[in-house]
Amino acid sequence: EAGVAQSPRYKIIEKRQSVAFWCNPISGHATLYWYQQILGQGPKLLIQFQNNGVVDDSQLPKDRFSAERLKGVDSTLKIQPAKLEDSAVYLCASSWEGLGDNEQFFGPGTRLTVL
Amino acid sequence: SQQGEEDPQALSIQEGENATMNCSYKTSINNLQWYRQNSGRGLVHLILIRSNEREKHSGRLRVTLDTSKKSSSLLITASRAADTASYFCATDPSPSSWDMRFGAGTRLTVKP
Repeated sequence: EAGVAQSPRYKIIEKRQSVAFWCNPISGHATLYWYQQILGQGPKLLIQFQNNGVVDDSQLPKDRFSAERLKGVDSTLKIQPAKLEDSAVYLCASSWEGLGDNEQFFGPGTRLTVL
Repeated sequence: SQQGEEDPQALSIQEGENATMNCSYKTSINNLQWYRQNSGRGLVHLILIRSNEREKHSGRLRVTLDTSKKSSSLLITASRAADTASYFCATDPSPSSWDMRFGAGTRLTVKP
């Protein structure tokens, strides 16, 4: 079974530029999550999708971050414009459903450096 | 905001020794999970313990949960160099939603 795929693995941009990350979850997984992990900290949930609908985006900085999951499969996370404090690893995860005892499967992450 | 808080922040042991990590949380939970993260990689699920369970085993892993103290511990027995990683606890506060919150993690180093 293929795991969660993410691209790119690394990205370096200047502040105020835009950047987009892509995630392909495990086939059949209805729920998809985007996390931000700053160095030395645990992952912080940014947004959760159930199929193609948003379940929770309470911690997403909506003035600069946006995410979509068209057709309920792949997802993209965009930052526009980027700030220095956005430097982090962006993790995508998926699970069968969003309720109950569901294990989350994580991708390798995208390491973003904002200069 | 983060829910779980791991303790210690860092732990260094010799191969073969046991490693114990603790997690404390603030609100009631539906379940608690432990994840491992190797350097530069994504997180890997280790074990899930439900709020009505007190202890769970998986191979060399033993997890306990004390809901009265709002704490959990992860014990790794007979540690190996390959166990070197960061370990995170994550809490799910409600059975009707998936609102998992991770702690800052414990960095475990196992010396060969």
